[in-house]
Amino acid sequence: DAGITQSPRHKVTETGTPVTLRCHQTENHRYMYWYRQDPGHGLRLIHYSYGVKDTDKGEVSDGYSVSRSKTEDFLLTLESATSSQTSVYFCAISDFEGGLGYGYTFGSGTRLTVV
Amino acid sequence: RKEVEQDPGPFNVPEGATVAFNCTYSNSASQSFFWYRQDCRKEPKLLMSVYSSGNEDGRFTAQLNRASQYISLLIRDSKLSDSATYLCVVAQVGGVSTLTFGKGTMLLVSP
Repeated sequence: DAGITQSPRHKVTETGTPVTLRCHQTENHRYMYWYRQDPGHGLRLIHYSYGVKDTDKGEVSDGYSVSRSKTEDFLLTLESATSSQTSVYFCAISDFEGGLGYGYTFGSGTRLTVV
Repeated sequence: RKEVEQDPGPFNVPEGATVAFNCTYSNSASQSFFWYRQDCRKEPKLLMSVYSSGNEDGRFTAQLNRASQYISLLIRDSKLSDSATYLCVVAQVGGVSTLTFGKGTMLLVSP
């Protein structure tokens, strides 16, 4: 399996606090993505990166920011957590734009609960 | 109209049955197509890419109809281990192409 790890695996946090989720890859893939998965909505793209310091917004980016200071790490920050951000967060990597050829490889996910 | 639509199911089938899932997508400029499998409380994993000519991988066959914007997945001789949610996935063309996921179709294979 591709080397992609997410941390933490589980987190409970209070409303209004900042939270940072980390995605780390050892595959040297150019493209990295953050998705959230909620019942009834499926996987929705939050932000993505196409290189170091190159990021862009996805479908549901409000309330989230990202940073990619080196190829292997992509951080997702909830600036002030709200209960609506309770979700499972998946990071994904790809060597090609749009997952061409081999699709995306996903991390194991982070279960975030905002109370 | 949702970008990628699937019947949520669940599809309940006995072992050995053949089952087919369908998916439609709205963006005619979409370029890449995939089926992913997701087990309960796990991450999605790539099952197979979908090509215009159709492609087969063991018991799994995927078809793409660009004119109708329709993708299908056929599973023959279902196994208990095939029980999972199957996600239809389409590459959305943009500044940087990204993947858009359908909500998934749940398959339950029973003994």
